Amino acid sequence: GAVVSQHPSWVICKSGTSVKIECRSLDFQATTMFWYRQFPKQSLMLMATSNEGSKATYEQGVEKDKFLINHASLTLSTLTVTSAHPEDSSFYICSARGPDRAPVYEQYFGPGTRLTVT
Amino acid sequence: AQKITQTQPGMFVQEKEAVTLDCTYDTSDPSYGLFWYKQPSSGEMIFLIYQGSYDQQNATEGRYSLNFQKARKSANLVISASQLGDSAMYFCAMREVNTNAGKSTFGDGTTLTVKP
Repeated sequence: GAVVSQHPSWVICKSGTSVKIECRSLDFQATTMFWYRQFPKQSLMLMATSNEGSKATYEQGVEKDKFLINHASLTLSTLTVTSAHPEDSSFYICSARGPDRAPVYEQYFGPGTRLTVT
Repeated sequence: AQKITQTQPGMFVQEKEAVTLDCTYDTSDPSYGLFWYKQPSSGEMIFLIYQGSYDQQNATEGRYSLNFQKARKSANLVISASQLGDSAMYFCAMREVNTNAGKSTFGDGTTLTVKP
């Protein structure tokens, strides 16, 4: 099956620094990728939809200047958390849109990145 | 109104018994897909089973089956012969073709604990 990887799997950074999370589709091309945020024991919250070669579409309430998304190629999307603060500590999950699965499409998830800001 | 409702925050089941996790959904789009995912403590989202809105039969995947009641807008997950490794959080999700830009909507999840 299709594989989506994320790097790093966990990261600890100091408040005020920036951290980049990579999401790669390993064996297929993904024109669309999604970034989610998840707090402990809660559901996934969609942050933004990333389309290759164009600007990401952010969900309401998500600061686009804080969460920079770049989808530079058909296999790589990156999420950069700029000037991170402790409240940005969370589990970040990416997913890639796969082939159609009638009447919708497949969605393949990465393993997630646990970010802790100290 | 919530599009996906999972009314059971936590469930317990004895090993080897069957368990049903509830999911109701709300949509006016005739074309949609319903998914169940398992999320163990490691955090990865594991796809379990899929039901398309036009599928006539209930989906089955090994020990997982989906009890799809379209008129009631219900898509319950049935896990047969529970195993200790089934202990995890379970999410029901919906993707609509013509609404919400095709994005996924997730329920709040159900934490399943399998007792030995």
